[in-house]
Amino acid sequence: NAGVMQNPRHLVRRRGQEARLRCSPMKGHSHVYWYRQLPEEGLKFMVYLQKENIIDESGMPKERFSAEFPKEGPSILRIQQVVRGDSAAYFCASSTNSQGNEQYFGPGTRLTVT
Amino acid sequence: SQELEQSPQSLIVQEGKNLTINCTSSKTLYGLYWYKQKYGEGLIFLMMLQKGGEEKSHEKITAKLDEKKQQSSLHITASQPSHAGIYLCGADNNAGNMLTFGGGTRLMVKP
Repeated sequence: NAGVMQNPRHLVRRRGQEARLRCSPMKGHSHVYWYRQLPEEGLKFMVYLQKENIIDESGMPKERFSAEFPKEGPSILRIQQVVRGDSAAYFCASSTNSQGNEQYFGPGTRLTVT
Repeated sequence: SQELEQSPQSLIVQEGKNLTINCTSSKTLYGLYWYKQKYGEGLIFLMMLQKGGEEKSHEKITAKLDEKKQQSSLHITASQPSHAGIYLCGADNNAGNMLTFGGGTRLMVKP
């Protein structure tokens, strides 16, 4: 049973370009969470999605960041017009539901903005 | 908002020694999760604690939840180099939507 999959594992973008990060949850999991880990900082929640719905986006920056989890296919975290401060590790986690079930994390996508 | 403080921030122990990592919450703990992260990799789920006084073990790692103290501890017995990594505690917000994480404890085990 494959775990949470993320791709790409490493992504390099120039300032002003767009970054698209993909996350495929574990089989049977319908809840997806995105977290960001900035250099020398802790892991911070960004957004929580179910299929076709954004449930909680309280941790998302107001501009340039968006997330989706379509009916078919992986969840996508999209960052438009990237800046150097966006350089971080982005982790996706999934769970079977939101109530007291452990979240399993993917290996992360390391975004570097040059 | 809830904050989690982990102590110590870093720890170096000799192989075979026991060690304890603490995680203290600023608010009531409804669910406490322990994860391990190796450098450059994702988080590996270790244990989840939900009830006051709950204690769980996996191999040589034991975690306890003290609900009254709003604190959890992770204890490693007879540490090995394979235990090295960053240990993170996370707490859910009671709506189950998200986890708030502590700053992590970096553990090194010297052979």
